Amino acid sequence: KQEVTQIPAALSVPEGENLVLNCSFTDSAIYNLQWFRQDPGKGLTSLLLIQSSQREQTSGRLNASLDKSSGRSTLYIAASQPGDSATYLCAVRLYSGGSNYKLTFGKGTLLTVNP
Amino acid sequence: GAVVSQHPSRVICKSGTSVKIECRSLDFQATTMFWYRQFPKQSLMLMATSNEGSKATYEQGVEKDKFLINHASLTLSTLTVTSAHPEDSSFYICSASGRVGSEQFFGPGTRLTVL
Repeated sequence: KQEVTQIPAALSVPEGENLVLNCSFTDSAIYNLQWFRQDPGKGLTSLLLIQSSQREQTSGRLNASLDKSSGRSTLYIAASQPGDSATYLCAVRLYSGGSNYKLTFGKGTLLTVNP
Repeated sequence: GAVVSQHPSRVICKSGTSVKIECRSLDFQATTMFWYRQFPKQSLMLMATSNEGSKATYEQGVEKDKFLINHASLTLSTLTVTSAHPEDSSFYICSASGRVGSEQFFGPGTRLTVL
């Protein structure tokens, strides 16, 4: 059974700092990995998707890396801003049979960026 | 990114009643829709996967007679919580994908409170 772990569970940083969020998964046979952002009481916003054959993806101040063999991904946020405060979720997608794929989520990292 | 809507955003009901939640993909055809449940400070847990025109595939431990899922068109899926009880109170989030295994787009979620 796939398990996804995110460390740290919570992180508080001053504005402007660069930071790294970590994600690890137990089954390396993933199809792809996705990072999401969730604001309190809201749905999920997709940030980056990395295919299993890729090593990293970048979008603006965000950079996600994937080391499939070791079961790890990191999300790097450059020059953090108060608006980045949210819960960041890592999810891996695996083939689940038939024509279906399934996302398994970590519990998330609660990020607070202080002005 | 593609837009997924959910209705209602919040619902409060009495124990024993049934509640229907709608999920719509607004600007793309969703071949697959997913329903998740999220309890406070927990990961999103997949409840079921539905492909348009087919019966939903439920995850282990999810009662298919209690959580009725209909995916009658490429833009609409519904989740009906039948005979709701207080322990069904949770945040329900739907997600839609245009292609098998491709990126999923999430709705804003529905907060269900059963009194």
